[in-house]
Amino acid sequence: GDSVTQMEGPVTLSEEAFLTINCTYTATGYPSLFWYVQYPGEGLQLLLKATKADDKGSNKGFEATYRKETTSFHLEKGSVQVSDSAVYFCALSDGNKLVFGAGTILRVKS
Amino acid sequence: ETGVTQSPTHLIKTRGQQVTLRCSSQSGHNTVSWYQQALGQGPQFIFQYYREEENGRGNFPPRFSGLQFPNYSSELNVNALELDDSALYLCASSLAGHSYGYTFGSGTRLTVV
Repeated sequence: GDSVTQMEGPVTLSEEAFLTINCTYTATGYPSLFWYVQYPGEGLQLLLKATKADDKGSNKGFEATYRKETTSFHLEKGSVQVSDSAVYFCALSDGNKLVFGAGTILRVKS
Repeated sequence: ETGVTQSPTHLIKTRGQQVTLRCSSQSGHNTVSWYQQALGQGPQFIFQYYREEENGRGNFPPRFSGLQFPNYSSELNVNALELDDSALYLCASSLAGHSYGYTFGSGTRLTVV
């Protein structure tokens, strides 16, 4: 079945550092791709999405580009803030469900 | 517009008991999906309900069952609880045909002792 692999965390960065969280996927078709964020004690919030190859999703300074040739959807941000500390999940759509990666913990130090 | 609300927020049950979790979907959404998120893992799809019928199921045993009501709210029932059922249970609502429009609730933290 379809699957998502994320880089293991935790990722610890200083404020204003550049962030990359790697995500690769395996899928039989052409799924939509997502990044969700989960703050402590909360549910999931959609951060950004891309629905076809070469699409770039962006939101709140975060970006990710749907790369069909490398089956990747890496999350990037140019300058992280302490408030970005959270768990980030890469996901793909598989029919009527989402398939998630295991999540990557991001810790940003001031 | 209101978001997805889940109740209760926390629950402790004993192994072998039964539990019911509740979810009110976002206004305008007609589809509800349930996910189980074990500690340190990504959410796993349990099932989806549309028009009060199950519309897809993940790799979960029959003791996980659900309902959807005419107002699109939903329940997740788990019978014969096991220790491994301890997890955060997330409800997500969406509009049928819009697979990228999921709105998640904050979840119910279930602990089985």
